[in-house]
Amino acid sequence: DSGVTQTPKHLITATGQRVTLRCSPRSGDLSVYWYQQSLDQGLQFLIQYYNGEERAKGNILERFSAQQFPDLHSELNLSSLELGDSALYFCASSPQEREGTGELFFGEGSRLTVL
Amino acid sequence: DQQVKQNSPSLSVQEGRISILNCDYTNSMFDYFLWYKKYPAEGPTFLISISSIKDKNEDGRFTVFLNKSAKHLSLHIVPSQPGDSAVYFCAAHDTGSARQLTFGSGTQLTVLP
Repeated sequence: DSGVTQTPKHLITATGQRVTLRCSPRSGDLSVYWYQQSLDQGLQFLIQYYNGEERAKGNILERFSAQQFPDLHSELNLSSLELGDSALYFCASSPQEREGTGELFFGEGSRLTVL
Repeated sequence: DQQVKQNSPSLSVQEGRISILNCDYTNSMFDYFLWYKKYPAEGPTFLISISSIKDKNEDGRFTVFLNKSAKHLSLHIVPSQPGDSAVYFCAAHDTGSARQLTFGSGTQLTVLP
């Protein structure tokens, strides 16, 4: 158990719909990262938040948005869903003393299936 | 443009032998290199890392080697155990402008009893 909690674990929806994925980082971690893993691909960085502020942005589509709340949990919103958005979405957090080293603790992921 | 490449999608090794997983990168700005292990239905787990100023880092059965001139790193597992069977992701970190981890596509390691 990494200490990072993601909900829901599985989600099936239709094209054009909107979903929200939720993540709670490990206790004491201020950073939250979102990654997308499509079939047989590596993890693609989407976005990072640190203590409520956006810190880094990767290849995140305009249809996707995220935020980090004062209690440090984060939500990733995916809208106008397309078949190609079907993927595993991982959230990760990092301890402050390891910031900048790439050492992350990952949640178990949310598997999104768009039909 | 794949900045981190793992060219072998799979590797099978006999229990007790050495497993060598390889990774190549293109971005000279990467300053940390990491290996993550992933079991089915779980998130990736950090395994071992190496700073770009070193060429070797060892942790128990796991050793990572970095060859900066060749832009190549490898993970050695000795001796391999059946519990090591998992997908191994190579990742690289750029503390400067990118502040993000770039992952390879992974190598499925199977350790045969």
